[in-house]
Amino acid sequence: KQEVTQIPAALSVPEGENLVLNCSFTDSAIYNLQWFRQDPGKGLTSLLLIQSSQREQTSGRLNASLDKSSGRSTLYIAASQPGDSATYLCAGITGANSKLTFGKGITLSVRP
Amino acid sequence: DTEVTQTPKHLVMGMTNKKSLKCEQHMGHRAMYWYKQKAKKPPELMFVYSYEKLSINESVPSRFSPECPNSSLLNLHLHALQPEDSALYLCASSYGGDYNSPLHFGNGTRLTVT
Repeated sequence: KQEVTQIPAALSVPEGENLVLNCSFTDSAIYNLQWFRQDPGKGLTSLLLIQSSQREQTSGRLNASLDKSSGRSTLYIAASQPGDSATYLCAGITGANSKLTFGKGITLSVRP
Repeated sequence: DTEVTQTPKHLVMGMTNKKSLKCEQHMGHRAMYWYKQKAKKPPELMFVYSYEKLSINESVPSRFSPECPNSSLLNLHLHALQPEDSALYLCASSYGGDYNSPLHFGNGTRLTVT
């Protein structure tokens, strides 16, 4: 059974910092991994999806990497802004017909 | 703005009421999902419809009844709910049902059961 862990649960940084959010998973036979953003009281917004055959994906100031052998994914946010404040969740799936397993999320606060 | 539309945004219902949550997408996606999210917890999968057929039911109590009238619409019928069913109910869709494409979520229905 795939387990996904995100540590720490919360993070506060000053504006402008480059930061890395970590996600670890137990089953290296991961099919793909997705990063989502959730604002308070809202739904989830898909940020990046990394297939098992890929090592990283980039979108604007965001870069996500996937290392299956170490069971880790990272989300890199460059030049953080207060608008980046939100909860970031990673979710992995082990097989095409399996369930997407979510981590508990990291609540990020970017201070002006 | 989200391309998955959920109505209503908020719903308060008593334990004897019958109500329905609605979800709509016009992106041509063939898979649609219902998730339940409690405060400060990740979403929990309830149901998956793939090509309008129920493909996954995560042992959800029968007081929750999903329906997929067509490829663009997904309903969740509620009856005789309990206060512990109060949560944010999220609908999502994806191009296929194999998680090979990103999930698109709606903004959810905040349900309170009194």
